[in-house]
Amino acid sequence: QKEVEQDPGPLSVPEGAIVSLNCTYSNSAFQYFMWYRQYSRKGPELLMYTYSSGNKEDGRFTAQVDKSSKYISLFIRDSQPSDSATYLCAMRTTGGFKTIFGAGTRLFVKA
Amino acid sequence: DADVTQTPRNRITKTGKRIMLECSQTKGHDRMYWYRQDPGLGLQLIYYSFDVKDINKGEISDGYSVSRQAQAKFSLSLESAIPNQTALYFCATSDSDRYNNEQFFGPGTRLTVL
Repeated sequence: QKEVEQDPGPLSVPEGAIVSLNCTYSNSAFQYFMWYRQYSRKGPELLMYTYSSGNKEDGRFTAQVDKSSKYISLFIRDSQPSDSATYLCAMRTTGGFKTIFGAGTRLFVKA
Repeated sequence: DADVTQTPRNRITKTGKRIMLECSQTKGHDRMYWYRQDPGLGLQLIYYSFDVKDINKGEISDGYSVSRQAQAKFSLSLESAIPNQTALYFCATSDSDRYNNEQFFGPGTRLTVL
């Protein structure tokens, strides 16, 4: 079993939709949770970062962490065609440097 | 100018050939990483380096070697390429002084081994 599970999609939504992207994990020691966005032919870029449980909002993006369920989510409101990309969840332990990445979910937002 | 650069961007080679992928960074970060990305598998860590004299194997180091020539340069070698090493390879950097260990990725090298 992988430490981090993420549905690879693809996920196709119309412009303006609310998008929900999710990951589950097995290591209860993970404390840092991240979402990276990767456009085609580019390297991943950090989009959101959360420490421990709770929510974090940044513009149209909201990251949620539920440590009791070992489940994290990224919500995108009012999705735009420019949001079309692959979204990778990532996490690591406190004091650890090694980041474990999910497989990535490919998102298409249709105009 | 890009902060993390990789050369070449694309490479096609034959089984048994020696290949070197190069990575340079201008971010001044001490940590550097090499990952490979395969469809459905995400990013897998090949090697990582905390400074010039500190190099460590990642989860899938077999068949690969690295060299940290300077703080800003980290190269990945495939001594004898095989077809299952066909993948997208990324170099990344991070700053050990940053609390979240955010990694900054290069644009990737698409390697095809025939």
